[in-house]
Amino acid sequence: EVQLVQSGAEVKKPGESLKISCKASGYTFTNYRIAWVRQMPGKGLERMGIIYPGTSYAIYSPSFQGHITISADTSISTAYLQWSSLKASDTAMYYCARQGFDSWGQGTLVTVSS
Amino acid sequence: QSVLTQPPSVSAAPGQKVTISCSGSSSNIGKNYVSWYQQLPGTAPKLLISDNDKRPSGIPDRFSGSKSGTSATLGITGLQTGDEADYYCGTWDSSLSAEVFGGGTKLTVL
Repeated sequence: EVQLVQSGAEVKKPGESLKISCKASGYTFTNYRIAWVRQMPGKGLERMGIIYPGTSYAIYSPSFQGHITISADTSISTAYLQWSSLKASDTAMYYCARQGFDSWGQGTLVTVSS
Repeated sequence: QSVLTQPPSVSAAPGQKVTISCSGSSSNIGKNYVSWYQQLPGTAPKLLISDNDKRPSGIPDRFSGSKSGTSATLGITGLQTGDEADYYCGTWDSSLSAEVFGGGTKLTVL
């Protein structure tokens, strides 16, 4: 069974850094790209970027370019989404999803507040 | 402003049928497959329809998808209260080189 299990909820202050994770199981991690999707409170889905785990090649959507970094560690079948300096507007639920969006993580709630 | 346009809400009575539309352009729906996702309250989205009209294993045949030109439609028959959720369409946009989603449609089963 394909599973994506994400790290737990985070509460951070503006300017702090953060790295959240998405651990894959049930399939060959390097064969499928992983996408990160943002859902702001009460809003819709926005694709932030994708990574090809086999090569670590990441592509960012224009709205998120320069503000996030997507990476992967194939030795533990885990993808990451990180920020070096959080803003209050980064408060949202973040999902990882496998290529084709046929399997999603349970989501990680990130709250950024002073 | 989402690339794909969906109605904000639809409603129907239990047992009835409802359709949800998704409008795009020649760079997205017009040349690529459409998927539909169901997001029950407080949960992650779930793939409901892929490749315009294909149901993944475990999805009941009450759910159907279709595409014509630059628009797609999700149909749900035999509505149940458990179908109350937000529904999103999604596809690849060849101009943006990225997956794009509709703004979501909230289904209320009266």
